[in-house]
Amino acid sequence: DAKTTQPNSMESNEEEPVHLPCNHSTISGTDYIHWYRQLPSQGPEYVIHGLTSNVNNRMASLAIAEDRKSSTLILHRATLRDAAVYYCILRDPEMNYGGSQGNLIFGKGTKLSVKP
Amino acid sequence: GAGVSQTPSNKVTEKGKYVELRCDPISGHTALYWYRQSLGQGPEFLIYFQGTGAADDSGLPNDRFFAVRPEGSVSTLKIQRTERGDSAVYLCASSPVGGRTEAFFGQGTRLTVV
Repeated sequence: DAKTTQPNSMESNEEEPVHLPCNHSTISGTDYIHWYRQLPSQGPEYVIHGLTSNVNNRMASLAIAEDRKSSTLILHRATLRDAAVYYCILRDPEMNYGGSQGNLIFGKGTKLSVKP
Repeated sequence: GAGVSQTPSNKVTEKGKYVELRCDPISGHTALYWYRQSLGQGPEFLIYFQGTGAADDSGLPNDRFFAVRPEGSVSTLKIQRTERGDSAVYLCASSPVGGRTEAFFGQGTRLTVV
């Protein structure tokens, strides 16, 4: 499986933007870039995903480098509730039913702290 | 319209006993994943089902761990001869077929082996 590299931790101030980086230099052409986060004492939750183009949703934006070897999750205005561990994951869509594509493997993630 | 449901939410068992953890995925989701998570660590992949079959079981730590999904919906993770090191939160997730889509996680089962 292709691997991702993220900083262990980051700090942000409340109501300021946060840019969470992820390196994935061995990404394949069919890998989607997924981001999940895990709040304390909860299961992970989906944040956003993309393939090549930048993506926006109500939670965040995803900026993908032109060569796809890195991406950045952007929280436009951090709140205290955004304090969580953020995981960047490469996910190959299932091409053939019964194959192992589509698996979802977590790395160590980035622990984001938000200061009031 | 419920999300992924895991039962029980907490399980305390004695060392050496057998336990079963249940996961009810979102209806219609073909893919189902099991993870375990120790304190301060990220979710550790155990096994991934597509439909009834295990597409990838490379994360199962040893032969004491086994999982089934006989009808392609509910899944059961079975742990034989439990050890204290098996204590962790066991997470289940499901998603529609296709890595383009998001996966939905349950709240987990906290297993404590005493």
